[in-house]
Parts: sequence; C-alpha cells; structure tokens
Amino acid sequence: QSALTQPASVSGSPGQSITISCTGTSSDVGAYDSVSWYQKHPGKAPKLIIYEVTNRPSGVPDRFSGSKSGNTASLTISGLQAEDEADYYCSSYTTGSTSYVFGSGAKVTVL
Amino acid sequence: QVQVVESGGGVVQPGRSLRLSCAASGFTFRTYAMHWVRQAPGRGLEWVTVISSDGGHKYYADSVKGRFTISRDNSKNTLDLQMDSLRDEDTAVYYCARAGASGVGVRYFDPWGQGTLVTVSS
Repeated sequence: QSALTQPASVSGSPGQSITISCTGTSSDVGAYDSVSWYQKHPGKAPKLIIYEVTNRPSGVPDRFSGSKSGNTASLTISGLQAEDEADYYCSSYTTGSTSYVFGSGAKVTVL
Repeated sequence: QVQVVESGGGVVQPGRSLRLSCAASGFTFRTYAMHWVRQAPGRGLEWVTVISSDGGHKYYADSVKGRFTISRDNSKNTLDLQMDSLRDEDTAVYYCARAGASGVGVRYFDPWGQGTLVTVSS
C-alpha cells in the first residue's frame, strides 16, 4: 500500500494562506469521507486537527479547514502563524489490505 | 484528562522480541478501538495495527502481519504490542493512539501518546 502523496514542503508568510494537498486513489481518499489531518511538531505527539474531511475538533482554531475533491484532499491554513510551523500528515481509511494509509508528510515553514 | 502513555521501548537485536505497553486514563477504555502507529527515523507515519473495543477484531499492516500481535486488557485499561522476529526496518518511535470517538467505524486517531523508541540493531 503506497503512502498518500503530499508536497514535501509548503511555505508562507505570517497572515497568508497555504494549502497542503493529499493525493490518493479511488481505494482510499476517493472511496471514503475518512480523511484526517495531523499536526506534528518535532519530538511531540501528533495532534488531530481535521477529521472526516472537514470537521475540526474542539480547541483547534478555525484557521484550519479541510476539503476533498475526487482522490485529493486538502488542508488550508488561513492567517498563517509562527506556531503553525510543523509537519502535517493526512490519513485515510483504505480498502487495501492495510486498513489505514498516511501521507508522506508536508513540512510547513513560516517565513 | 484523556491520556495514553506508552512504555517498553529499547534496543533489541534483530530476530528478538519486545513488548510495548500503553496505559490509558481519563476515558472509558473498553468502549474505544485502539491503534499503534510508528514513525521510522526521518520517515513519515505508518499505521501498524488496530484492535476493536472488545478485543474481538484485530487488523495489521502487511509489513508486520504474522510478527506483531496487538492485545488489550479492559480491566486494567492497558494496550499491548508484542513484537517478534524484529527487523532493522522496525526501528521507529511507536505511538499508541485512541480511536477519535467510541463505537464502530471511527477512522481517525485522537489522542496520541508521546511515543516510545524501539531500536533494532546488532
């Protein structure tokens, strides 16, 4: 089972908006509304920021939003802040022999 | 607060075994599926295995199938991962993660523990 494809890096200035794509197949991203996104700072535990494509857990700023079209999901961070600098991973349930697949990870840099 | 804490990591030789544990607190453990996810050095996250809330259903990534066994004790609020026939490529930080909500069909992970490092090396 191949990892979902994410850009290796995305950057933006404070206050700008950035979008991270997550491309899968019709067996995972395209098949289910089960895409979730995780923020990971070095040495820290991953943190859920979006679940079921568009839902935001309580406590996560509304600057974070998710969407999906076909086999590609996207995470948008609006009003980029310094503390948003981290690695971001998407995940999807899959019909493959492996139940879940993660993205390759995207490093967000705040310029 | 809702919390999961891993333990049991360490250095082990290829071919040997290691058992990881995860202690859960702050929620009704017996109603949530539980997962293990790992991250090899410099690599991305990789889902490893899941166990249903009652322990009756278990699923594994192809990379660990037949070598790793997940189990849980709902009376002690603990989750275990028995890792046998370890390989160099199993070197990673192993995270315990709760399903994001109780019930079936919950396909996201929240919260995660801080992780425990497993190093397979001769």
